[in-house]
Amino acid sequence: ETAVFQTPNYHVTQVGNEVSFNCKQTLGHDTMYWYKQDSKKLLKIMFSYNNKQLIVNETVPRRFSPQSSDKAHLNLRIKSVEPEDSAVYLCASRGTGAQDTQYFGPGTRLLVL
Amino acid sequence: GDSVTQTEGPVTLSEGTSLTVNCSYETKQYPTLFWYVQYPGEGPQLLFKVPKANEKGSNRGFEATYNKEATSFHLQKASVQESDSAVYYCARVLWVICSGANYNVLYFGSGTKLTVEP
Repeated sequence: ETAVFQTPNYHVTQVGNEVSFNCKQTLGHDTMYWYKQDSKKLLKIMFSYNNKQLIVNETVPRRFSPQSSDKAHLNLRIKSVEPEDSAVYLCASRGTGAQDTQYFGPGTRLLVL
Repeated sequence: GDSVTQTEGPVTLSEGTSLTVNCSYETKQYPTLFWYVQYPGEGPQLLFKVPKANEKGSNRGFEATYNKEATSFHLQKASVQESDSAVYYCARVLWVICSGANYNVLYFGSGTKLTVEP
């Protein structure tokens, strides 16, 4: 049963454009994440938000910015996309216990031409 | 460090053969360890987790033992099926301190792509 929703599924755009991806979770979790998955399937954490507070930012370029209106939503904006931004962007949410499972959305595939 | 290292992929097997995907971790603690699986076109999903050292986790015929002494958590399956074709990730919990409070994040290994041929 899907509990982390992402839109859009795919996005094709030109270099220099701005894009925004949406994520919503219905699990009541306090923490949400954005990951970038490259063509080799490597998962790299980009941002972690706990009750709208940024917790982790793993050397992500400044053109990327997370945006949250409440703890159930965490969007990702990319100003002026570049070719190396082509990837799958995965949203996830998790409870705060050390053993809690992280639940992922289906991902948004971005192609920058 | 606090890294997770797993078998380099891709791995191709014939249906009915056995699978081992190695996972080793570096830490001075005993974190909860996870195996996630990602099927084509989907996000990763939990396969199983093991919170305690020297215990075993299992699901869908896959299993892994949290070996404290060897700091390993290898994924095994006795007989793979074509439907097991996916990317498998080993993961561990790391604690981050922010504004005086502790939060935990999951860090993933590099992933191992498995293809099972009929």
